[in-house]
Amino acid sequence: DQQVKQNSPSLSVQEGRISILNCDYTNSMFDYFLWYKKYPAEGPTFLISISSIKDKNEDGRFTVFLNKSAKHLSLHIVPSQPGDSAVYFCAARGGGTSYGKLTFGQGTILTVHP
Amino acid sequence: DSGVTQTPKHLITATGQRVTLRCSPRSGDLSVYWYQQSLDQGLQFLIQYYNGEERAKGNILERFSAQQFPDLHSELNLSSLELGDSALYFCASSVVGSGLNEQFFGPGTRLTVL
Repeated sequence: DQQVKQNSPSLSVQEGRISILNCDYTNSMFDYFLWYKKYPAEGPTFLISISSIKDKNEDGRFTVFLNKSAKHLSLHIVPSQPGDSAVYFCAARGGGTSYGKLTFGQGTILTVHP
Repeated sequence: DSGVTQTPKHLITATGQRVTLRCSPRSGDLSVYWYQQSLDQGLQFLIQYYNGEERAKGNILERFSAQQFPDLHSELNLSSLELGDSALYFCASSVVGSGLNEQFFGPGTRLTVL
């Protein structure tokens, strides 16, 4: 049962353009969402997060949007840079007594072309 | 460098064997999490420890066990290994155990079962 889904395995964009990575979830108990970036041979690195009581959070070039009614979140990267090329994982926290457990999507490979 | 260390980096073993993966969290972090990433899969949460006690459990097999020691380092023990256990195993740490703060990931241990 895939509770967090990233339906696009890969995304290719031109440097300077916007990258939009999407994530859907099915569990309405999720109360906190995070995006991680992963380079080859390294562990995931935290990028940005959003609480379920908000609909937008911005940090520099990165903005996360949350649409609770659609159970959908997206990560916008503007402008995209070649160094952003990596695998991006969406993750969700279950709330309640699930403590720190995060449920991850399968990842989207982003390639930014110079 | 996230500050989380994992040893060994690579491990090659045979079916039926037992291995131990080790994780040292960032200085000051009380919570340790273990994740498994199989081929083409997202990260699957295995187990969380907070200050020496088990805090949350995911789909961890009975053949797998973990513990967190008084110095806060953690070990993941995998026994009766099967081919399907081949994967990347990540450890992450955070200051508290609620999941509302970011988890810092180590570089992972790549386990190959032949």
